[in-house]
Amino acid sequence: RKEVEQDPGPFNVPEGATVAFNCTYSNSASQSFFWYRQDCRKEPKLLMSVYSSGNEDGRFTAQLNRASQYISLLIRDSKLSDSATYLCVVNTYTGNQFYFGTGTSLTVIP
Amino acid sequence: DGGITQSPKYLFRKEGQNVTLSCEQNLNHDAMYWYRQDPGQGLRLIYYSQIVNDFQKGDIAEGYSVSREKKESFPLTVTSAQKNPTAFYLCASSAGYNQPQHFGDGTRLSIL
Repeated sequence: RKEVEQDPGPFNVPEGATVAFNCTYSNSASQSFFWYRQDCRKEPKLLMSVYSSGNEDGRFTAQLNRASQYISLLIRDSKLSDSATYLCVVNTYTGNQFYFGTGTSLTVIP
Repeated sequence: DGGITQSPKYLFRKEGQNVTLSCEQNLNHDAMYWYRQDPGQGLRLIYYSQIVNDFQKGDIAEGYSVSREKKESFPLTVTSAQKNPTAFYLCASSAGYNQPQHFGDGTRLSIL
């Protein structure tokens, strides 16, 4: 079983739409959670950390459900510039390793 | 300006040749990581290091070697034993537990 699983998509949404991605993780001892964004042929860049109480950064909202072992990312009012692959990342204290999902592809259409 | 610098941006390897990818950070991070990404695939961990002079194998260490003689440097050597080295190689660092990783802008390695 993979450590982190994501729906690969692709998600094709019109500008202004709201879109949500989910990600599940297998290790209940996981401690830290992040969403990264990766543009084509570029390095991943941190979008936001995910806190237990949920957190928001502008149009982006991240939530964590420890009981069901999933995290989510909600993007409101989608922009063309949001088109990218979104990576779910989970960190465990053991060895301070990071586990990456394979990413969810988003294309925002004019 | 703090960050992670990878070089070169593009690298070509001949059959039977070892090549070394550079990764330098000035973020004062203890932990450093090397990943490989193939087209349309996720990131796979090659090696990681939590502290100077110590490193551990990741999921796909065969055919690769690393060293960590200085805190700011974590070079990766792709040896001739790695039969399918063509990929996008990413170096990352982290300040510690609960802290996110920051990535360099990657090296694209191809076989001549």
